[in-house]
Amino acid sequence: AQTIHQWPVAEIKAVGSPLSLGCTIKGKSSPNLYWYWQATGGTLQQLFYSITVGQVESVVQLNLSASRPKDDQFILSTEKLLLSHSGFYLCAWSPWTNERLFFGHGTKLSVL
Amino acid sequence: QQKVQQSPESLTVSEGAMASLNCTFSDGTSDNFRWYRQHSGKGLEMLVSIFSDGEKEEGRFTAHLNRASLHVSLHIREPQPSDSAVYLCAGDYGGSGNKLIFGTGTLLSVKP
Repeated sequence: AQTIHQWPVAEIKAVGSPLSLGCTIKGKSSPNLYWYWQATGGTLQQLFYSITVGQVESVVQLNLSASRPKDDQFILSTEKLLLSHSGFYLCAWSPWTNERLFFGHGTKLSVL
Repeated sequence: QQKVQQSPESLTVSEGAMASLNCTFSDGTSDNFRWYRQHSGKGLEMLVSIFSDGEKEEGRFTAHLNRASLHVSLHIREPQPSDSAVYLCAGDYGGSGNKLIFGTGTLLSVKP
């Protein structure tokens, strides 16, 4: 069975500090991978997606970047956090050409 | 940028009574339309995906799509308290879930 693991579960960071959020999918080779973000009380927005190692497409610009260093790993990062980065970050995967999307449990980020 | 309007913002129904949720999209170019739900503190669970006008049933969940009116609805038959969650509609503008635009969500509460 496939599993998706996100880390950390929650993070409290200072404005201007760096950030790295991670996501690992086990049990599925070559998944499509996604990052989503939801501000408190806001709409869920897709940030990035990747269909293969080393390739990432940006959907929404939020001064964040993403990388896929391994087939089963997706990283979301920034050098300098903004207050507006606070919210809930969700990683997701889907099988290639399959419409189902499976989400991780998410990371709650508070930027102070 | 495509937008999705969801209504109502919140809905309370009694156990066993039909629950109906609605979404209106800013344009009909979406490849398909999906309904997800999110239990508190959890990731998203896809309920039903619909491509063609008409209806599609997945267990107790039935989606209705009318592309001409840019409207998609979700009907939950015999809801249970365990169905209490936030329900999100999404338009898939990239195909295969690569670019999902989500609605703002409907908080459904099912009373025993």
